[in-house]
Amino acid sequence: TQLLEQSPQFLSIQEGENLTVYCNSSSVFSSLQWYRQEPGEGPVLLVTVVTGGEVKKLKRLTFQFGDARKDSSLHITAAQPGDTGLYLCAGFNAGNNRKLIWGLGTSLAVNP
Amino acid sequence: SQTIHQWPATLVQPVGSPLSLECTVEGTSNPNLYWYRQAAGRGLQLLFYSVGIGQISSEVPQNLSASRPQDRQFILSSKKLLLSDSGFYLCAWSIGYEQYFGPGTRLTVT
Repeated sequence: TQLLEQSPQFLSIQEGENLTVYCNSSSVFSSLQWYRQEPGEGPVLLVTVVTGGEVKKLKRLTFQFGDARKDSSLHITAAQPGDTGLYLCAGFNAGNNRKLIWGLGTSLAVNP
Repeated sequence: SQTIHQWPATLVQPVGSPLSLECTVEGTSNPNLYWYRQAAGRGLQLLFYSVGIGQISSEVPQNLSASRPQDRQFILSSKKLLLSDSGFYLCAWSIGYEQYFGPGTRLTVT
């Protein structure tokens, strides 16, 4: 069974701080996605990484896919209250018949 | 551009009553469609997915069923709701491996 473990589960920081959240698995994925979800809304896709070692940047967010394509990290620089939300990672393999394997998420609170 | 709609946004139903949640997608053809349930703002539990009209795969045996009567319509149903059916229900669509979500339905079973 493929699993994705996210850490930490909860994170509360002050505005301006940096943070990193992790998404780890013992399985290899052909691609991995990060989503952000705000309370009462559906998740919104932030980025997809497909190549081992790939780094993608989205403003203050930096996403990295591990060399072995088993893990990923999300780094936020100078966090702002608008970054508050649930960050979910999801992995895809063609053999999973179009289903994603989801982590349980990291709940981030950025306090002003 | 593609748009996904879900309704209703909020629903309060008594135990034993039926349920019908609807999801429609605009701007794409033959999408894969998914129903998820999310409890307590945590991870997503895949309930059903569909790769085409009338084709439904169930992930978790439970009190719910799904149907896809049209290419871009996905319906989640129950004949008799249980308290444990309460949660946040999300519909999503995909063409490749990236999924796009609707706004969700908050269901409270009382």
